[in-house]
Amino acid sequence: DAGITQSPRHKVTETGTPVTLRCHQTENHRYMYWYRQDPGHGLRLIHYSYGVKDTDKGEVSDGYSVSRSKTEDFLLTLESATSSQTSVYFCAISDPDRGREQFFGPGTRLTVL
Amino acid sequence: AQSVTQLDSQVPVFEEAPVELRCNYSSSVSVYLFWYVQYPNQGLQLLLKYLSGSTLVKGINGFEAEFNKSQTSFHLRKPSVHISDTAEYFCAVSHMFSGGYNKLIFGAGTRLAVHP
Repeated sequence: DAGITQSPRHKVTETGTPVTLRCHQTENHRYMYWYRQDPGHGLRLIHYSYGVKDTDKGEVSDGYSVSRSKTEDFLLTLESATSSQTSVYFCAISDPDRGREQFFGPGTRLTVL
Repeated sequence: AQSVTQLDSQVPVFEEAPVELRCNYSSSVSVYLFWYVQYPNQGLQLLLKYLSGSTLVKGINGFEAEFNKSQTSFHLRKPSVHISDTAEYFCAVSHMFSGGYNKLIFGAGTRLAVHP
């Protein structure tokens, strides 16, 4: 998985609680992304980062925030989890100097009860 | 706006038979096209990519895809599948924005089930 880890790999939480997912890369890629995967929708972009402290919204960003304080770490936070945020979350990385493809982490399965 | 349509949500096939997974895209600009594979409980792995040049692209595990600009298609093929090819396959289109941001739009996925 191109040196990408995600933690935790599985999490069950209750509606209204805050949740933070972590993505860590050892590839020194400039761009990092958070996607969610839901049946019938493929992968949809939540947020992305183009550098330390530089982030922007994707197509399904409502209810999510992100932070990137170091090149290697990209955090996704659900401030107050809802059942509609039950999903599998994937982190990805890319670097325009090394090609146009994105490389994906192993995913985090989040269940909000 | 860019979009990707994978025409089959599920494709059942017998082992050693050929398979084609269909992908159509819409875009008003030059595109870059990808196929990813996802095995159960794993992340996405790049199968192959089309950036420019030859329209027939070869990837890993014996897969290949053909870029057809006039039909806006990028179908994935394999002449003889194995049980181990059972997985979900995603087609994606990319547009590179200034600054290097690479936006990927995914299709909904095609589940390939290979039966003995």
